[in-house]
Amino acid sequence: GAGVSQTPSNKVTEKGKYVELRCDPISGHTALYWYRQSLGQGPEFLIYFQGTGAADDSGLPNDRFFAVRPEGSVSTLKIQRTERGDSAVYLCASSLMGGGYQETQYFGPGTRLLVL
Amino acid sequence: QKEVEQDPGPLSVPEGAIVSLNCTYSNSAFQYFMWYRQYSRKGPELLMYTYSSGNKEDGRFTAQVDKSSKYISLFIRDSQPSDSATYLCAMKAGGFKTIFGAGTRLFVKA
Repeated sequence: GAGVSQTPSNKVTEKGKYVELRCDPISGHTALYWYRQSLGQGPEFLIYFQGTGAADDSGLPNDRFFAVRPEGSVSTLKIQRTERGDSAVYLCASSLMGGGYQETQYFGPGTRLLVL
Repeated sequence: QKEVEQDPGPLSVPEGAIVSLNCTYSNSAFQYFMWYRQYSRKGPELLMYTYSSGNKEDGRFTAQVDKSSKYISLFIRDSQPSDSATYLCAMKAGGFKTIFGAGTRLFVKA
């Protein structure tokens, strides 16, 4: 079956611009996670959705970052006034129910964001 | 100091070697320990999931957790060139928030 998909696969933008990154989770998965992976680092937690609501957004670095999941399926990560330091791979993952202690998170291939 | 420390490598071994990958951590609340494999330009893929201390084996892979030392390991037996990837340790106290190590790059030479 289809895995987690993310679009675009690559995004180049200029400093100060607005970008949207999209995640399509595995069908039926209620939990969705966003991570940011900088070069040479592991994924860093940003936000977790259970259904339509953000259960934990403590990883969002500042108020320029915002994410939505209006119908409990597709999610969009939005970054305003992009900065060069936002350049990274943004990963999305989904899991069946979320919060399950031994539940597997399935990752998408990521969106590579480059801010010039 | 980071909550999870992992040597970034790279680690280069000949085909057929036993590979040992390790992480240390500082948060004694961590109870769930995972190893992910990440190929270049791909998302991480879960390899092993272990609860608390002890060993878990799956094919050529063995995960070990020593909570008293705050130290976890992944062993790969009979390593293959297809095992060449970045290996990420990850852990959590409970629920959903997962903390990852920086990853170790592994190269297995044919």
